[in-house]
Amino acid sequence: DQQVKQNSPSLSVQEGRISILNCDYTNSMFDYFLWYKKYPAEGPTFLISISSIKDKNEDGRFTVFLNKSAKHLSLHIVPSQPGDSAVYFCAASARGTSYDKVIFGPGTSLSVIP
Amino acid sequence: DTGVSQNPRHKITKRGQNVTFRCDPISEHNRLYWYRQTLGQGPEFLTYFQNEAQLEKSRLLSDRFSAERPKGSFSTLEIQRTEQGDSAMYLCASTLPNSPLHFGNGTRLTVT
Repeated sequence: DQQVKQNSPSLSVQEGRISILNCDYTNSMFDYFLWYKKYPAEGPTFLISISSIKDKNEDGRFTVFLNKSAKHLSLHIVPSQPGDSAVYFCAASARGTSYDKVIFGPGTSLSVIP
Repeated sequence: DTGVSQNPRHKITKRGQNVTFRCDPISEHNRLYWYRQTLGQGPEFLTYFQNEAQLEKSRLLSDRFSAERPKGSFSTLEIQRTEQGDSAMYLCASTLPNSPLHFGNGTRLTVT
């Protein structure tokens, strides 16, 4: 039972354009959502997060949008750069509950073409 | 901040052997997590500690797996009688409550 889903295994975008990565979740207890980026042979690195009390969080070129009613979030990268090419994981947790661990989606591999 | 350190980076072992991995978290972090990642999948939760207490274990963690965090500092993950299906990247992460996980670079296990 996959509680965090990323239905696009891969995405290709031209440099300078917008990259949109999507994520859906099924557990309504989740209240904290994160995006991680992973390069080959390295561990995932934290990118940006959003609490369920917000619907948008922005950090430089990265913006995360949360639609609680649809149980959907997305990560926008604009403008996309070749160095953004990596695997992006969506993750979620239910903080302050017995379900406090972070659950990851399967990832989307982003390729930014120069 | 020296980051999360994992050793060894790579481990090749024969089926049936025991292996042990070590994780040194960021020093002020009281939570430590172990995840496993296979090709094409995201990290799968195995277990986590708050200080020295192991708070939860995934059903993925069979009796052959054991994790410890003595004195609430470094942690070890031991796999007994390894099987080929144990081949994966084992990731350790540390954090403070309500903060993002900080991952190490993982230990890649290959069971032949």
